[in-house]
Amino acid sequence: DSGVTQTPKHLITATGQRVTLRCSPRSGDLSVYWYQQSLDQGLQFLIHYYNGEERAKGNILERFSAQQFPDLHSELNLSSLELGDSALYFCASSVVSGSWDEQFFGPGTRLTVL
Amino acid sequence: AQTVTQSQPEMSVQEAETVTLSCTYDTSENNYYLFWYKQPPSRQMILVIRQEAYKQQNATENRFSVNFQKAAKSFSLKISDSQLGDTAMYFCAFMKTGAGSYQLTFGKGTKLSVIP
Repeated sequence: DSGVTQTPKHLITATGQRVTLRCSPRSGDLSVYWYQQSLDQGLQFLIHYYNGEERAKGNILERFSAQQFPDLHSELNLSSLELGDSALYFCASSVVSGSWDEQFFGPGTRLTVL
Repeated sequence: AQTVTQSQPEMSVQEAETVTLSCTYDTSENNYYLFWYKQPPSRQMILVIRQEAYKQQNATENRFSVNFQKAAKSFSLKISDSQLGDTAMYFCAFMKTGAGSYQLTFGKGTKLSVIP
């Protein structure tokens, strides 16, 4: 158990819908990273938040958005869902240790778009 | 931008034998870290081993070791005395350092099966 929690574990929805994925980082971790794992794209970085502020964006679609709240939990919002958005969505939290940080991954949310 | 390539989509090894997974990467950065992550059927991402680019000495963690060739941009993982619990997807990953954000760039993965 990494100490990172993600809810829900599974989500099944229809095309055109909107969903919210939630991530609670390990106690004390200020950074939250979101990754998408799909058959087509593999594992790719979406977005990074640090202490409530956006730090970096990766291959995140405009239909997707995220935020990190004062209690440090983060939410990833996916809207106008398409079949291709079906994937496993991970969040990872970290505390910076010098010049790098070890990212601890949550169990993921499996999103299925029908 | 960085790219990470794992050329072996699938591999298998007999229990107790040794197996090596390959990874190459492309970057113009000088300061970075390289990682191997394991993803068992449970889908949990688990850090196996990391290597600092500035260190010439190869990292070792129990039965896991790496062969880091910086000039060749190669980073292979050797698993000794393979165990059934090593059956998993293995991902090679790159992290640029010093940029204020430490996102990981992953390869496509190698599916390793340990055969009894």
